[in-house]
Amino acid sequence: QVQLVESGGGLVEPGGSLRLSCTASEFTFSAHYMSWIRQGPGKGLQWVSYISSGGDIIVYADSVKGRFTISRDNAKNSLYLQMSSLKVEDTAIYYCASQIAGTSDPHAFDLWGQGTMVTVSS
Amino acid sequence: DIVMTQTPLSSPVTLGQPASISCRSSQSLVHSDGNTYLSWLQQRPGQPPRLLIYKVSNRFSGVPDRFSGSGAGTGFTLKISRVEAEDVGVYYCMQGTEFPLTFGGGTKLEIK
Repeated sequence: QVQLVESGGGLVEPGGSLRLSCTASEFTFSAHYMSWIRQGPGKGLQWVSYISSGGDIIVYADSVKGRFTISRDNAKNSLYLQMSSLKVEDTAIYYCASQIAGTSDPHAFDLWGQGTMVTVSS
Repeated sequence: DIVMTQTPLSSPVTLGQPASISCRSSQSLVHSDGNTYLSWLQQRPGQPPRLLIYKVSNRFSGVPDRFSGSGAGTGFTLKISRVEAEDVGVYYCMQGTEFPLTFGGGTKLEIK
């Protein structure tokens, strides 16, 4: 079944670190751009970071630049988000997402994971 | 950054009646390649978002034809011709024309 599955969320203190993973199944992961998108409790969607299929192009939202690092391992069909210097405002469900259906819109995310919850609190 | 503004915030609709959601961008979403990368997503309670419409007016595979998108430049609309109970949720517009990718604040569709 074509899917994305996130893991690695949890409770962390302000200033702490966490590494999220997103594992892809049943599609050619290495051919597709990937993004992380988050959603704070009761809030809307916020794009966090993007990585190209080969990992050579990386973009971050200003709110996480310098604190978060996106990476991928195409051999393991996996996407990662290393989060450090975490703040209370980083508390959110973190989704990985991609466009895999060939819509010719690179950011029309047609495949989403179920999300992993990150809570930053003392 | 491109700011996406959705109206209304909430839309109570009677089953079988139409619904319309507007989305305005702070600058044109026409990309240098000539395409306009405006998408609409639906998020049902407790679920991840689901793609409905891409490039303004293209319905994604499996999306019922009661959903339609229109617009150009900086003004866009999502219409549901006849609302069904399964349409309850929050709807987001999203621009993919330039980084940072940005979303509208969301419109909550509920049944009267």
